[in-house]
Amino acid sequence: GNSVTQMEGPVTLSEEAFLTINCTYTATGYPSLFWYVQYPGEGLQLLLKATKADDKGSNKGFEATYRKETTSFHLEKGSVQVSDSAVYFCALSSQGGSEKLVFGKGTKLTVNP
Amino acid sequence: DVKVTQSSRYLVKRTGEKVFLECVQDMDHENMFWYRQDPGLGLRLIYFSYDVKMKEKGDIPEGYSVSREKKERFSLILESASTNQTSMYLCASEDRIFYEQYFGPGTRLTVT
Repeated sequence: GNSVTQMEGPVTLSEEAFLTINCTYTATGYPSLFWYVQYPGEGLQLLLKATKADDKGSNKGFEATYRKETTSFHLEKGSVQVSDSAVYFCALSSQGGSEKLVFGKGTKLTVNP
Repeated sequence: DVKVTQSSRYLVKRTGEKVFLECVQDMDHENMFWYRQDPGLGLRLIYFSYDVKMKEKGDIPEGYSVSREKKERFSLILESASTNQTSMYLCASEDRIFYEQYFGPGTRLTVT
């Protein structure tokens, strides 16, 4: 079945540091890939997505590239801010429609001033 | 903006009680979902629905049921709450064009 593995946290960085959160997946076919973010006390929000190989999703300074050859979708940001402190979830859905998302376990990021 | 609302942010119930969690979305989405979120386990799908009166079991449906009488509303029911159902419950709706899910703020349920 489909599955997502993301790096375990927590991750603690200083402001302006470079961020990478690794995500790899196992799936049949050609899934769509997502990163969701959950700020403290809130539900999840879609951060970015990519629907086919070599696509790059980007939003709010975050980027992730769909790498079919390495089955990866790593999240990166060049300079994190305190306001980026949150839990980040990698997810995939099957080709042709979401129907249901398969989530990773989440990575908690704390950014210190 | 898409809005998904959940009936309560925090709820405390006793073992054996029947519990209703309600979710309402305002974007006319056909697809709606209920997840539970537990530390170290991520999000797990309980039930989902493609349309009014339609429901499908997710990965962990045991101990839960759902109701979808109106398109905008999707209810999760715990027939007899147990302590292992203490969790954060998240509702989501999904558009069928881009297949993006929009989440509510969550209900933190404690069963004592």
